Amino acid sequence: DSGVTQTPKHLITATGQRVTLRCSPRSGDLSVYWYQQSLDQGLQFLIQYYNGEERAKGNILERFSAQQFPDLHSELNLSSLELGDSALYFCASGTKANYGYTFGSGTRLTVV
Amino acid sequence: GENVEQHPSTLSVQEGDSAVIKCTYSDSASNYFPWYKQELGKRPQLIIDIRSNVGEKKDQRIAVTLNKTAKHFSLHITETQPEDSAVYFCAAPGLGGYQKVTFGTGTKLQVIP
Repeated sequence: DSGVTQTPKHLITATGQRVTLRCSPRSGDLSVYWYQQSLDQGLQFLIQYYNGEERAKGNILERFSAQQFPDLHSELNLSSLELGDSALYFCASGTKANYGYTFGSGTRLTVV
Repeated sequence: GENVEQHPSTLSVQEGDSAVIKCTYSDSASNYFPWYKQELGKRPQLIIDIRSNVGEKKDQRIAVTLNKTAKHFSLHITETQPEDSAVYFCAAPGLGGYQKVTFGTGTKLQVIP
């Protein structure tokens, strides 16, 4: 157990639908990062939150949004889902980028 | 922002041989370079990291070297074993410690028994 909790582990949904992925960071970590990993692909950075505020944005689609709550858990909302959104979505948490960070086990999203 | 290039994309070695994976980065201010290992279907895990004030760091069979002048760093795995088979990612953060970490594109390492 890495200390970073992601739910659900698996999600199957239809095109056009909306889903919410949840992440609870390790105790003491203030930053949450979201990454998308498509089949046999690398880790694409989506967005970072630090202590409730958005700090950095990557190649995140307008259909996707995220937030970090006062208790530091974060949610990634994916709407108007397309087949191409099928991927593993990882959350990672850390205190500072230059101390490395810890990944959760991921949510596997399948859009049918 | 940071740009990280990683080579090779795939690497096959015989068990017991060494494997080397190289990464280059663009931001000369980057000062921390982690390596992650991702086994099939699992989360990436930090296996070793190096800070810019040292040139080499070892941990048993794995080592990382850093050349700040040339802006590249490498992962070395000696005496490879089948359980080393995985995808390895290098990464480099931007300035300030709160910027997004940029990952390399990954190297799929296969260790042939």
